[in-house]
Amino acid sequence: DTEVTQTPKHLVMGMTNKKSLKCEQHMGHRAMYWYKQKAKKPPELMFVYSYEKLSINESVPSRFSPECPNSSLLNLHLHALQPEDSALYLCASSQDAGDRVDYTGELFFGEGSRLTVL
Amino acid sequence: AQRVTQPEKLLSVFKGAPVELKCNYSYSGSPELFWYVQYSRQRLQLLLRHISRESIKGFTADLNKGETSFHLKKPFAQEEDSAMYYCALREGNTGKLIFGQGTTLQVKP
Repeated sequence: DTEVTQTPKHLVMGMTNKKSLKCEQHMGHRAMYWYKQKAKKPPELMFVYSYEKLSINESVPSRFSPECPNSSLLNLHLHALQPEDSALYLCASSQDAGDRVDYTGELFFGEGSRLTVL
Repeated sequence: AQRVTQPEKLLSVFKGAPVELKCNYSYSGSPELFWYVQYSRQRLQLLLRHISRESIKGFTADLNKGETSFHLKKPFAQEEDSAMYYCALREGNTGKLIFGQGTTLQVKP
């Protein structure tokens, strides 16, 4: 299985709602990522997890809360979002950079969860 | 500061014409560069990386440290090459990628 699976594909939520985005991979990757992508823009890194520990937080507002319950799963909990948070949220996974002599640096991306905040 | 620049938002060519998508980078260490591609309604995926010096789908890219460039080239464009192409730089010893703004390649019949 060489895919990263994200659910839901589409999500519409109000500014007072609480929702979660989910990501799963079974490639044995120990690094997982959340990226945010606005229309016609490149992906912007939000968070990196390495061995289930948060290693990078790109100064993301606390209304986004990541969680890595195990090496295959990555969640992004959403609370009190703003309309400007509407975007495509991409999950990715990779080998961990410090892990293997054959580290390739390749990130495997999911198809994304398209979020609309009303 | 680390930066990746793709100067062209849109590149439009006819089928069979050569293609060059430009990428310049700014990085203080030894760079590790990638090209990612996003076809319509498909996920972002790796096209090639400079370390492996491979050719994928007829595309090649050579790292030129003197010019700090990593341009993507293909001698004869095909319609199925139409997509968004992102040049990306790996930061340090992390998996963090810094993406350029992307270039949309449009190959006309």
